[in-house]
Order: sequence, then C-alpha cells, then structure tokens
Amino acid sequence: GAVVSQHPSRVICKSGTSVKIECRSLDFQATTMFWYRQFPKQSLMLMATSNEGSKATYEQGVEKDKFLINHASLTLSTLTVTSAHPEDSSFYICSADKTDYQETQYFGPGTRLLVL
Amino acid sequence: LAKTTQPISMDSYEGQEVNITCSHNNIATNDYITWYQQFPSQGPRFIIQGYKTKVTNEVASLFIPADRKSSTLSLPRVSLSDTAVYYCLVGDGGYGGSQGNLIFGKGTKLSVKP
Repeated sequence: GAVVSQHPSRVICKSGTSVKIECRSLDFQATTMFWYRQFPKQSLMLMATSNEGSKATYEQGVEKDKFLINHASLTLSTLTVTSAHPEDSSFYICSADKTDYQETQYFGPGTRLLVL
Repeated sequence: LAKTTQPISMDSYEGQEVNITCSHNNIATNDYITWYQQFPSQGPRFIIQGYKTKVTNEVASLFIPADRKSSTLSLPRVSLSDTAVYYCLVGDGGYGGSQGNLIFGKGTKLSVKP
C-alpha cells in the first residue's frame, strides 16, 4: 500500500496565530511531497513542492514567508500557516511521490483550516 | 504540462457502466495519464494510471488510443458510493522521473442515482 496521513484533520484558530500541518508517508519514503489548497467547490491548486533536505519550491502567487514548508525527513513534511487570517481558511491537502516504477502521487486525507 | 479537458458533470444510474473521457491534446512523450477520485472533504484517491493502450485494475479500466490525445476512464457497474469528482491528470512519469507538479482541472462530477 501507499498511505499518507495528515494531522490534524481539522483545526480552528484565531486570526494572527500560526498553524502547523503535518504530512507523513506511512509505509514508503518520499523524496518529494506536494502541498495543495482547495476552496469550496473548486479544484485543488498546487501551492508548493517540498523536497527532502532542500528548500521548497513555491508556485506563483504563494507567499513563502506565510506558508512555511519543512521537509525534514523522507516521511515527513510540514506546512505552517503563519499569522493566519480568515482568507486562509481552506482545505489543505498534501501528496507524496512514491518513487516506484509508476511514479504515482498518493494524497493525504486533507486538513480543514478555519481561521476566525 | 499538458492541459486536460473533461466534462463538468455526468449522471448515471446504479449498475450502469460509466465512461468519462478526457482530452489532452498536447501530451508529451514521457507523460503518464492518471485518474483520481475525490469525495467531499477528502484527499484525492488514486484510481488508475496508464501510458498507452488499455490498463485494468480491480476498480476501473483506462483506455488510451494510439495517439494518446485522449483517455477514457471506465467504471463498471457503478453504485451510489461512486458519486464523486473524477480528475484526469497528465504528468511526467516513468523510470527515474517524478510525476512532478500535477495541475488539477475542474474534474468531472459524477452523480449516480438509484
């Protein structure tokens, strides 16, 4: 199998606080992980590519100082939303690249963030 | 990255076979075609992946014509629980390469009725 977990699954925070979301590949190693954001009734939008041992690559329009990504090991990437505001409320999903012969991405269950 | 085009929505009834076609006219030589299923408030779930011809697994079949400019996901005998959004994605793949940045289109919202 290829299981990716995210923690927490749901978080509510006050405006101005920081929130950390963890993404773990449970039964495989992932050199590359991806972070997506999905607003209600919209498609997933790639935010950044997280590479183990190096800096993340951010998509155009995504503030790297606001969305801090750390890929500390081959099984863990974290996304920290700093100084969160209500407009950051969204569904955040990570995926991990399983580097087998088919190079498939496997997705986590997502984290719903609500900023009050 | 190849752009994909899918129908926005489809309706079906339980027990029917559903075919969702995706167009990807500018697919690159080393691109693979992958389909994902997403239920509300959940992450996308891998369904099937292929490069050419036909691929079949326990949940679906994927048909890819010789020119690879389109692909068709076939779901046999759908049930109510197959109601979801289905995404077709095209990206780098194969030996030694990462599938890279997946660009999600709007997907196809499949509604299965009793």
